[in-house]
Amino acid sequence: GAGVSQSPSNKVTEKGKDVELRCDPISGHTALYWYRQSLGQGLEFLIYFQGNSAPDKSGLPSDRFSAERTGGSVSTLTIQRTQQEDSAVYLCASSLVGGGDYGYTFGSGTRLTVV
Amino acid sequence: QQPVQSPQAVILREGEDAVINCSSSKALYSVHWYRQKHGEAPVFLMILLKGGEQKGHEKISASFNEKKQQSSLYLTASQLSYSGTYFCGTPGAGNMLTFGGGTRLMVKP
Repeated sequence: GAGVSQSPSNKVTEKGKDVELRCDPISGHTALYWYRQSLGQGLEFLIYFQGNSAPDKSGLPSDRFSAERTGGSVSTLTIQRTQQEDSAVYLCASSLVGGGDYGYTFGSGTRLTVV
Repeated sequence: QQPVQSPQAVILREGEDAVINCSSSKALYSVHWYRQKHGEAPVFLMILLKGGEQKGHEKISASFNEKKQQSSLYLTASQLSYSGTYFCGTPGAGNMLTFGGGTRLMVKP
């Protein structure tokens, strides 16, 4: 597609429920990233996929968080047993390749609210 | 480690200039700059790959000093549309960017 597409744009869930967030990167971009942004805060790295390599999960805050990327394209971020502190905007980005030599294109994000 | 940005916030009148700094405690080989308007996703402005190189976007330019491990973003003759939060990003231990805490810029008429 022309840009990075994320869905849903907003998600309200009850504490303890599981949620799935979807990201469809720009076609041809081999690198895909998930970041989290709490209200008024900076961008917190969560996970990074590069092609078919094993993902870099070093930013995931707990084992309740997981992500997969199917066929080198669409990615799904899953949060199990959601907690109130998980409330944030979850941003997906893609770049031509990883390594910092190419700019990131961000999606519009999913605003997650845990009540 | 997260790069450090300064100042944290700045208020300008239209037409004034501003400088935003980004510094790192480790060696850098590239620096990215992004702008995020309220309620929107960050938008890529520019990337600096070589020491001392300056790049430009509209009337926004940036420099990158590898030796000093820092980059500066220069906003010249600011416009209302420049308002937003500016983030610098540097490659971390892996191949992803680590972002600074952001600088909130407000341009008033």
